[in-house]
Amino acid sequence: GAGVSQTPSNKVTEKGKYVELRCDPISGHTALYWYRQSLGQGPEFLIYFQGTGAADDSGLPNDRFFAVRPEGSVSTLKIQRTERGDSAVYLCASSFDRDTEAFFGQGTRLTVV
Amino acid sequence: GDSVTQMEGPVTLSEEAFLTINCTYTATGYPSLFWYVQYPGEGLQLLLKATKADDKGSNKGFEATYRKETTSFHLEKGSVQVSDSAVYFCALLDYGGSQGNLIFGKGTKLSVKP
Repeated sequence: GAGVSQTPSNKVTEKGKYVELRCDPISGHTALYWYRQSLGQGPEFLIYFQGTGAADDSGLPNDRFFAVRPEGSVSTLKIQRTERGDSAVYLCASSFDRDTEAFFGQGTRLTVV
Repeated sequence: GDSVTQMEGPVTLSEEAFLTINCTYTATGYPSLFWYVQYPGEGLQLLLKATKADDKGSNKGFEATYRKETTSFHLEKGSVQVSDSAVYFCALLDYGGSQGNLIFGKGTKLSVKP
């Protein structure tokens, strides 16, 4: 596609439920990043993929968060047993490789009620 | 660890006014520095960048100079327009430090009035 696509754009879920957020990167981009942006804050790094593998998952806050990129393209961020504190905008970005400009999607706004 | 501190907003200016948004950083290695912009309803976009000391990044009339001696990367524009209203994020990428990924400041919201 022309840019990084994230779906859904908005997600409201009940506390304790499981959610999946999808990121479709720019075609040919090998690097993919997930960030989380809370209200009034800058984006915070969660995880970085190079191809299919998670090269750096040091930003994942706890074991309720998990992400996959099985074919080196689309990635899914999975959150188990959601908590109200998980409410934020989840941003995905991709780049041709680690050393080139990262392009961001418009994000998924997750609200846990 | 590495961090970025930028001036708190919101900043409100009249059209054609001079803009400065301050940004300072802490890094263990030799970072590249960036300004990203987020227009209303849109995703983050790279505005400009500088990869080494004394480099000046520029784009759309905005510029910022990488000052290693003051660990700063202040964003400036000589004459702002209403269309510049957005949230601006300063960020660093430090391959020499513990994190090889973008670290962002909290953002500064700019509103330009006609």
